[in-house]
Amino acid sequence: KQEVTQIPAALSVPEGENLVLNCSFTDSAIYNLQWFRQDPGKGLTSLLLIQSSQREQTSGRLNASLDKSSGRSTLYIAASQPGDSATYLCAVKLSSGGSNYKLTFGKGTLLTVNP
Amino acid sequence: GAGVSQSPSNKVTEKGKDVELRCDPISGHTALYWYRQSLGQGLEFLIYFQGNSAPDKSGLPSDRFSAERTGGSVSTLTIQRTQQEDSAVYLCASSLVRTIDEQYFGPGTRLTVT
Repeated sequence: KQEVTQIPAALSVPEGENLVLNCSFTDSAIYNLQWFRQDPGKGLTSLLLIQSSQREQTSGRLNASLDKSSGRSTLYIAASQPGDSATYLCAVKLSSGGSNYKLTFGKGTLLTVNP
Repeated sequence: GAGVSQSPSNKVTEKGKDVELRCDPISGHTALYWYRQSLGQGLEFLIYFQGNSAPDKSGLPSDRFSAERTGGSVSTLTIQRTQQEDSAVYLCASSLVRTIDEQYFGPGTRLTVT
């Protein structure tokens, strides 16, 4: 059974700081890995999707890396802003075994960026 | 274009009552998914539809939960005889055709059972 773990559970940083969020998964047979953002009371916004054949994806100040063999991904946020405050979720999709329709999520990292 | 929509956004119900949650997927998306996010828990998969069929219902927590989809579009998740442990945010997602296609999420329905 795929398990996804996110560390830390919560993180508070001053504005302008660079930061890294971590995600690990137990089954390396993944199709892709996705990072989401969730604001309080809102749904999920997809930030970055990394296919299993890729090592990283970048969007603006965000960079996500994937090391499938070690079961790890990181989300790097450069020059953090108060508007980045949210819960960040990591999710993986298995590539086989008849379960490639479901996303398995971590419990998220609650990020607070202080002005 | 329009994204995934869900209604109601918030629902408060008394223990033992039945509730229906609705999901309108993105037009043209044939795959539809339900997830649940409980306090202190991660998002957990409940069920997915390909067209009007649900190949996998194994994520539904109990037989009080059921879901249907009609016309390959709107889906309804029904919880009968609600319990306090059913309190959660219920999220719906849809994807274009294949189950490996990217899933797009709705804003969710926050269910509170008193």
